[in-house]
Amino acid sequence: QKEVEQDPGPLSVPEGAIVSLNCTYSNSAFQYFMWYRQYSRKGPELLMYTYSSGNKEDGRFTAQVDKSSKYISLFIRDSQPSDSATYLCAMLYNQGGKLIFGQGTELSVKP
Amino acid sequence: ETGVTQTPRHLVMGMTNKKSLKCEQHLGHNAMYWYKQSAKKPLELMFVYSLEERVENNSVPSRFSPECPNSSHLFLHLHTLQPEDSALYLCASSQDLPGGTDTQYFGPGTRLTVL
Repeated sequence: QKEVEQDPGPLSVPEGAIVSLNCTYSNSAFQYFMWYRQYSRKGPELLMYTYSSGNKEDGRFTAQVDKSSKYISLFIRDSQPSDSATYLCAMLYNQGGKLIFGQGTELSVKP
Repeated sequence: ETGVTQTPRHLVMGMTNKKSLKCEQHLGHNAMYWYKQSAKKPLELMFVYSLEERVENNSVPSRFSPECPNSSHLFLHLHTLQPEDSALYLCASSQDLPGGTDTQYFGPGTRLTVL
């Protein structure tokens, strides 16, 4: 079983839609949860970071962590064509560890 | 731009060639990383350097040889590669020692094709 599972998509939505991206994980020891965005022909960039359970909001983006279900989500409100990218979830056991990535979900937002 | 540059951006090489990938960070960071990104697979951490010393080597075949001459530069030397080594190779850097919540800044990657 993979440590982190992420549906690779592709996911196609119309402009303005609410997008939900998800990852599940198997090890309850993960404490730090991140979302990276990767545009075509670019490296990943950190989008959101959350420690432990709960929600975190930044503009149109909300990151949600449910440790009891071992499930994390990224919500994008009022999606824009510029949001079209691959979204990678990543997790850390603790400080000093290494990032464990999901395989990424390819998102396309159509005008 | 993230402050991390990689050259070349694209590389095609035969299985008997020797080539090198270069990464340079202009952020004053102390830690640098090599990752491999294959289609539909998670990023795989290959090597980690902290203050020019290798701190992690994730069971990477010896045909990949990293070099970190100073805290701003990182190389990945390639020799006798296999077609399955074709992938996007990403370099990243972070301010402090590897891991933790310190943000990693990624370069644009080198797209490697092994014929």
